[in-house]
Amino acid sequence: DTAVSQTPKYLVTQMGNDKSIKCEQNLGHDTMYWYKQDSKKFLKIMFSYNNKELIINETVPNRFSPKSPDKAHLNLHINSLELGDSAVYFCASSRQGAVDGYTFGSGTRLTVV
Amino acid sequence: GENVEQHPSTLSVQEGDSAVIKCTYSDSASNYFPWYKQELGKRPQLIIDIRSNVGEKKDQRIAVTLNKTAKHFSLHITETQPEDSAVYFCAAPENKAGKSTFGDGTTLTVKP
Repeated sequence: DTAVSQTPKYLVTQMGNDKSIKCEQNLGHDTMYWYKQDSKKFLKIMFSYNNKELIINETVPNRFSPKSPDKAHLNLHINSLELGDSAVYFCASSRQGAVDGYTFGSGTRLTVV
Repeated sequence: GENVEQHPSTLSVQEGDSAVIKCTYSDSASNYFPWYKQELGKRPQLIIDIRSNVGEKKDQRIAVTLNKTAKHFSLHITETQPEDSAVYFCAAPENKAGKSTFGDGTTLTVKP
């Protein structure tokens, strides 16, 4: 059983399109995150949800909209994709906030052409 | 907010040698310090962590040390093997914000 699963693993799309990435965790964790890893491998937080409630919204364009239907799921919808959105997006979860280790999903490599 | 600096950015060692990666943090209230290993094309995985009530923790060939006064913590890998080659990330929490800030990563290469 995969602890944190993300789909799709690869996503190639044209500029201007809208796409979604789904994430599910079966660990019973309370907190879920979206991180962006750029070509230099830097990991930057985008959003954090705790028990379905948004608690962190970093300086991210409002073309990015997270949705958490329940505490086991955190999806990411991106409107009007731009070339600069190309990156690997990781979903992660932790038992309770930032004072526990993260379990990461396998990542979604988004390529905007 | 929390500022985490990680050094060095790249590290190359011979198989069998030791490797040390250091991180400094700015928030004196931080109390949890994990290390993650990311192999090429894979997800980051937690390999060891330490809480602020201890100064050192070991797990076989890896150890983490914490100096709260100086606000730095280090990852030590002994008897390195080629499979230790990866990018290593430290992180420190910003508790009030409920998030962890990651260091910029260290690319470790272990030459056989």
